[in-house]
Amino acid sequence: AQTVTQSQPEMSVQEAETVTLSCTYDTSESDYYLFWYKQPPSRQMILVIRQEAYKQQNATENRFSVNFQKAAKSFSLKISDSQLGDAAMYFCAYMIGNEKLTFGTGTRLTIIP
Amino acid sequence: EAGVAQSPRYKIIEKRQSVAFWCNPISGHATLYWYQQILGQGPKLLIQFQNNGVVDDSQLPKDRFSAERLKGVDSTLKIQPAKLEDSAVYLCASSLGVPQPQHFGDGTRLSIL
Repeated sequence: AQTVTQSQPEMSVQEAETVTLSCTYDTSESDYYLFWYKQPPSRQMILVIRQEAYKQQNATENRFSVNFQKAAKSFSLKISDSQLGDAAMYFCAYMIGNEKLTFGTGTRLTIIP
Repeated sequence: EAGVAQSPRYKIIEKRQSVAFWCNPISGHATLYWYQQILGQGPKLLIQFQNNGVVDDSQLPKDRFSAERLKGVDSTLKIQPAKLEDSAVYLCASSLGVPQPQHFGDGTRLSIL
């Protein structure tokens, strides 16, 4: 069974600084998809960034970028120039083929003004 | 583009009562998902529909949970009878298909007394 591990239950960062959230996963598949979702107190899960495993280039979306290390099964999220609105729970998730999303347990990110 | 709509936003019931949740996906999205998110955990898939057919319901407690998606659009999730451990947020998501990104609604927070 596929598992997703987020080893940092909580993280904090000073506003305007950079923070990296860690995620590792376990799979025997070679073709899959990885996602980072953000969940603010409003509860809605918002897609932050997506990575296809067959792509070697790391995905980037404005201030958000990933460090995808396929051999190490690692998928970390870097948030640059942190803003107060970035405060939320962040979930790493994994999906293969037409199967379900498997989520990690989340990292609560606090932004310090 | 209108997002995924869910209702109610909150529900409080006593154990052994029944409850139903409603979800209206984004227009044109063929795939619909129901997730259960227990406090402090990532969402767990309960059931996945492709149009009005069930793709995956392997983690749905079928003795008490049921779901339907009539006409391949709206969906309802029902719990009967509810147990204390069913207290959670129930999230609905939709996508154009796998492996397209899933778009989530705001969820229903269910409290069982």
